[in-house]
Amino acid sequence: GDSVTQMEGPVTLSEEAFLTINCTYTATGYPSLFWYVQYPGEGLQLLLKATKADDKGSNKGFEATYRKETTSFHLEKGSVQVSDSAVYFCALSGAGGTSYGKLTFGQGTILTVHP
Amino acid sequence: EPEVTQTPSHQVTQMGQEVILRCVPISNHLYFYWYRQILGQKVEFLVSFYNNEISEKSEIFDDQFSVERPDGSNFTLKIRSTKLEDSAMYFCASSRDSSSYNEQFFGPGTRLTVL
Repeated sequence: GDSVTQMEGPVTLSEEAFLTINCTYTATGYPSLFWYVQYPGEGLQLLLKATKADDKGSNKGFEATYRKETTSFHLEKGSVQVSDSAVYFCALSGAGGTSYGKLTFGQGTILTVHP
Repeated sequence: EPEVTQTPSHQVTQMGQEVILRCVPISNHLYFYWYRQILGQKVEFLVSFYNNEISEKSEIFDDQFSVERPDGSNFTLKIRSTKLEDSAMYFCASSRDSSSYNEQFFGPGTRLTVL
């Protein structure tokens, strides 16, 4: 079945450091790929998405490129801020044409940014 | 900005008891979902619901679980006889349609503790 694997966490960075959170997936067909973020005490919020190969999703300085050849969707940010401290989830949807709407998540990566 | 709300934020129950978790999806959304996250594990899909019936469910969603949209605004998840392993964070989500690239909006979650 479909699956998503994220890099092990937690990740701790200093403010203005470069961030990469790795995400790889296994799926039949052509899924859409997402990054969701969860701030303390809140629900999951969509951060960015990409719906086909080579698409780049971007939002709030975060970027991720849909790489079909490596089945990856790594999250990057050039300069993190303390306010980026949260849990980040990679997810996919729509693989194989039989699971529309259902999201399959990675295990989440806790990011802590220190001043 | 419209948001998905969930009540209660924390529910404590005895094993074998019935619990009902409540969600109010965004008003013009048509598709509704429940996910759960056991502490330290992935967010897992439970069920999707459209037009007053289940459109997809996971292996987790057995006969102990049911969903209902009783009054056109609430969306509930019932667990008939709770088990210790049902302890988890339960997230409700809604979307305008079921397309794989459409955003799902998540509530803040209900933490269920089964003693």
